[in-house]
Amino acid sequence: EAGVAQSPRYKIIEKRQSVAFWCNPISGHATLYWYQQILGQGPKLLIQFQNNGVVDDSQLPKDRFSAERLKGVDSTLKIQPAKLEDSAVYLCASSRQISDDPSPLHFGNGTRLTVT
Amino acid sequence: GNSVTQMEGPVTLSEEAFLTINCTYTATGYPSLFWYVQYPGEGLQLLLKATKADDKGSNKGFEATYRKETTSFHLEKGSVQVSDSAVYFCALSDGGSYIPTFGRGTSLIVHP
Repeated sequence: EAGVAQSPRYKIIEKRQSVAFWCNPISGHATLYWYQQILGQGPKLLIQFQNNGVVDDSQLPKDRFSAERLKGVDSTLKIQPAKLEDSAVYLCASSRQISDDPSPLHFGNGTRLTVT
Repeated sequence: GNSVTQMEGPVTLSEEAFLTINCTYTATGYPSLFWYVQYPGEGLQLLLKATKADDKGSNKGFEATYRKETTSFHLEKGSVQVSDSAVYFCALSDGGSYIPTFGRGTSLIVHP
């Protein structure tokens, strides 16, 4: 099966600019996650979708970050305006579904964002 | 809330040495436990998992046993190879929120 696709692979922007990341999950995976991974730290969940609904966005800085998954398939994550501390790798992951036996996540290669 | 604590890295070993990477967790209920690996330049990928107490997950020579009494899920391998050099992440997903929580990762460097 094709893996999780993310683009772009790298992005360099200046602070206060905006940026968008795109993710296409594995076909048939209902659950989609966006994680932020700052250098030297573990991935931190930003938002979790189940189909096109939001399951959890409690750690998403909503004053500057937004995400959508309008048709329950691919998703975009946007930052506007960017700050220096947003420099990180943004990971998209998908899994089959929420169930009594949580499925493992399948990750894309990530987008490395540098804010100067 | 849920949390995962991993030993600090980097862990530096010679080829064929024995590997242990410690992982302990805090969670409500009965979580599923995972080890993910991230090779240089690649995304995270599942290495192994265990879904209940005393289960042993294994893959590619790596093993980890779900120890409920010590809330631990330590990763072991009897003989590491240079190709095992990567960052290893311990993670849990509990039966309540199903939101995966990751540790900070442990870098492993294996020298020939």
